[in-house]
Amino acid sequence: NAGVTQTPKFRILKIGQSMTLQCTQDMNHNYMYWYRQDPGMGLKLIYYSVGAGITDKGEVPNGYNVSRSTTEDFPLRLELAAPSQTSVYFCASLAGQRTGELFFGEGSRLTVL
Amino acid sequence: ELKVEQNPLFLSMQEGKNYTIYCNYSTTSDRLYWYRQDPGKSLESLFVLLSNGAVKQEGRLMASLDTKARLSTLHITAAVHDLSATYFCAVAKTYDMRFGAGTRLTVKP
Repeated sequence: NAGVTQTPKFRILKIGQSMTLQCTQDMNHNYMYWYRQDPGMGLKLIYYSVGAGITDKGEVPNGYNVSRSTTEDFPLRLELAAPSQTSVYFCASLAGQRTGELFFGEGSRLTVL
Repeated sequence: ELKVEQNPLFLSMQEGKNYTIYCNYSTTSDRLYWYRQDPGKSLESLFVLLSNGAVKQEGRLMASLDTKARLSTLHITAAVHDLSATYFCAVAKTYDMRFGAGTRLTVKP
């Protein structure tokens, strides 16, 4: 059972480049999340989705875009990368509000130079 | 807006000692989570607390929830070196989930 899969695991970008972080879950979960974790800090919510076709902003959405065309996939797009976006990005999924457990991917470490 | 505060942010303990990490949150919530994170790794789920008065224990860790006080605690009993990690609490209101800043725990011999 793969759970939540993120790709790539590591990436170096130049300032101004764009890229997409991929996230796929095979648990048929409705809720999916993108968080970023800066060194020595907690997780900040970027975007979340409550189902295919529905997304909403979290605490720190600026500089990012998401889409949710299927239940399984929730890609995060970085447009015009900036050094402030250097971080570790975690994708997570949740079956439902009453079932509780949030499953995390392994993380994607992004460096913008 | 849902805000989560943890304290302490840093905790250095000796093996065999007990200590408590506190997690306060700003509004009513549906669920409270505790996670462990080792350096360079993802987050490992420890506990999910769903109702007022809930208490869960796993080994040397025990978590409790007081929804009236908007407070959860993670109690560490007789700490051992293997418990050294960063511990996060997270609070959920419907589908909105926010994390505390984390408590970096170091257990020394």
